[in-house]
Amino acid sequence: DGGITQSPKYLFRKEGQNVTLSCEQNLNHDAMYWYRQDPGQGLRLIYYSQIVNDFQKGDIAEGYSVSREKKESFPLTVTSAQKNPTAFYLCASSLGQGEDTQYFGPGTRLTVL
Amino acid sequence: AQKITQTQPGMFVQEKEAVTLDCTYDTSDQSYGLFWYKQPSSGEMIFLIYQGSYDEQNATEGRYSLNFQKARKSANLVISASQLGDSAMYFCAMREGEAGRRALTFGSGTRLQVQP
Repeated sequence: DGGITQSPKYLFRKEGQNVTLSCEQNLNHDAMYWYRQDPGQGLRLIYYSQIVNDFQKGDIAEGYSVSREKKESFPLTVTSAQKNPTAFYLCASSLGQGEDTQYFGPGTRLTVL
Repeated sequence: AQKITQTQPGMFVQEKEAVTLDCTYDTSDQSYGLFWYKQPSSGEMIFLIYQGSYDEQNATEGRYSLNFQKARKSANLVISASQLGDSAMYFCAMREGEAGRRALTFGSGTRLQVQP
């Protein structure tokens, strides 16, 4: 079954801790993306990667970091520098060309205690 | 300026009726793509329909159709024969350009409630 998985579904973090959110896809997509969603709002782009070993900052990259060592995986680290990390995080992937529809994972809800 | 504007925070529709969700966009690119996604209470974003800027015909996917008016820069979603399961948030999104950044810019969404 092809798709995108994110783990964990819920994550609680103490202030000052770094946490890493997992995103894996088996769709053979080249491009992957991380978005953040705050209550009652649309999605905002954190980071994106169009190819392995390359990634670019999005609109709200401060306090976040990513890596893209494998085509299938694009983990997101929320660092202690992120001032307000409580949000819903969505990972997506796409072919990276043509119509380029993005398909999303189920999301991770991060709460800072 | 907002790139994607959804002016209806909430909409109600009776079951089996049609409903139109509004979306206007702003871009100077000639090549762009417009998308609609559905987000149920579970949170996952579900792709509904796509319209390319060069497509001359309005896109359709089952009960979903996109009313694309390029000169007015609008891309409204029409849901026909609404069902209770259509109750969700709906987001309009745009991808600009052919190359480079291919991420989406999203609107703030419309909450649709289908009433029996």
